[in-house]
Amino acid sequence: DTEVTQTPKHLVMGMTNKKSLKCEQHMGHRAMYWYKQKAKKPPELMFVYSYEKLSINESVPSRFSPECPNSSLLNLHLHALQPEDSALYLCASSQDRQGSQPQHFGDGTRLSIL
Amino acid sequence: QKEVEQDPGPLSVPEGAIVSLNCTYSNSAFQYFMWYRQYSRKGPELLMYTYSSGNKEDGRFTAQVDKSSKYISLFIRDSQPSDSATYLCAKTQGAQKLVFGQGTRLTINP
Repeated sequence: DTEVTQTPKHLVMGMTNKKSLKCEQHMGHRAMYWYKQKAKKPPELMFVYSYEKLSINESVPSRFSPECPNSSLLNLHLHALQPEDSALYLCASSQDRQGSQPQHFGDGTRLSIL
Repeated sequence: QKEVEQDPGPLSVPEGAIVSLNCTYSNSAFQYFMWYRQYSRKGPELLMYTYSSGNKEDGRFTAQVDKSSKYISLFIRDSQPSDSATYLCAKTQGAQKLVFGQGTRLTINP
């Protein structure tokens, strides 16, 4: 079991739906990340939160909206997604925002857009 | 040229063999190097994490970094069927980003 918990594990939604992905860590980490991973490809960075502030947005479409309510929680709000957004969405955390600490990943939410 | 190059395989070896997984990188800035293991339908699991040139050992796993050649390797001794997974090399890019290789799919045959 990983120390980064993601819910739900699977999500199927229509293109007009609104849903949210949730991520939680209790390791006291102050940096949290969202990645998108397509089949047989490496993870691609979407967003980085450092000390609960958005520090990196990798030019992600506005239909993805991240939120960091506190240092342990990270949400990804989804609205009007496209079929090509179907992927594994991974959350990760690290002790701080410096590259000297490794990132630890959750098991992801497998998202399918109908 | 990609910043981290990794042969995607697939790689298939018999149980008990020594496995060698390799990556090359192109940027020489201050950085850390990682190896992750990813099982099907799971997230990447951190295996090894290092900064310095040289070897770092953890059980059956050895990570090797050669900064002069810009080459990073992962060796698995006494490979087991449970080691069958995709192995991702990664390095830091700036303070908060990771750059991943393509991942190598490894199968250990009993």
